Amino acid sequence: EVQLVESGGGLVQPGGSLRLSCAASGFTFSTYWMHWVRQAPEKGLVWVSRIYSDGSKTTYADSVKGRFTISRDNAKNTLYLQMNSLRAEDTAVYYCGRDPDYGGYSFFEDWGQGTLVTVSS
Amino acid sequence: DIQMTQSPSSLSASVGDRVTITCRASRTINSYLNWYQQKPGKAPKFLIYAASSLQSGVPSRFSGSGSGTDFTLTISSLQPEDSATYYCQQSHSTPYTFGQGTNLEIK
Repeated sequence: EVQLVESGGGLVQPGGSLRLSCAASGFTFSTYWMHWVRQAPEKGLVWVSRIYSDGSKTTYADSVKGRFTISRDNAKNTLYLQMNSLRAEDTAVYYCGRDPDYGGYSFFEDWGQGTLVTVSS
Repeated sequence: DIQMTQSPSSLSASVGDRVTITCRASRTINSYLNWYQQKPGKAPKFLIYAASSLQSGVPSRFSGSGSGTDFTLTISSLQPEDSATYYCQQSHSTPYTFGQGTNLEIK
C-alpha cells in the first residue's frame, strides 16, 4: 500500500524557516517524480514544486521561487521542502504527491494527509 | 501561466441525477487534464488523467471527456458519497494549475 506521510509543519513567524518532510513507503520511491501542493484555509489547490525521480531537475511556482527548495533522499525514501523567508500568504496545508509520469502524462496519483504551516506573529 | 476555469462553482443535485462539471483552459493543453475529488478535511483523491482515463478503483459512473481547451467531468448517476469539491488540473506545462473547484452538494 502506498503511503505518504508529511511532517514538519507548525507555527512560524514571518521571515522564519521550516522544513517539511514526506516519508514514502509501499512503492519504489526513486522511480517517481514528486510534488508539493498547498491549500490555504478554505481555498483551492495550488501547485508549489516538482522534483524528478533522480533529483536532477526541480521546478517551482513563481510565488515560492528563490525562497523554497525541494529535495529528496532516495536512500531514505523521503521528500523535503525547505521553506525560507516565510510570509503570511504561505499559510496552508502542504501535501506531497506522487507522480507516475505515465505515458508522458503527469498527475498526482497519491497524496499524503497534509501538514499545516501557519505563518503568523 | 495557463488559467483553468471551472463551472459552475457550486451545484446541488439529487441522488441518481446526471451531473456535468466543465473546465476550460486559457490555451490549448491537448489532453493534459486531470480531475480530483476532495472531501472536507481530507486530501484530494485522484480520479481521471489524460482527460478521459479513469484511475483504477474509481467507480465507472465517473467519466471525463474533452481535448484542447474544453473538458468535462460527468457523474452518470449521482450517489450520496459523491458530495465533494471537484478540481481540474492541467499538466501541459509548469506551473501546473488547478481550477478553482466545484462544490457538489447532494439535495
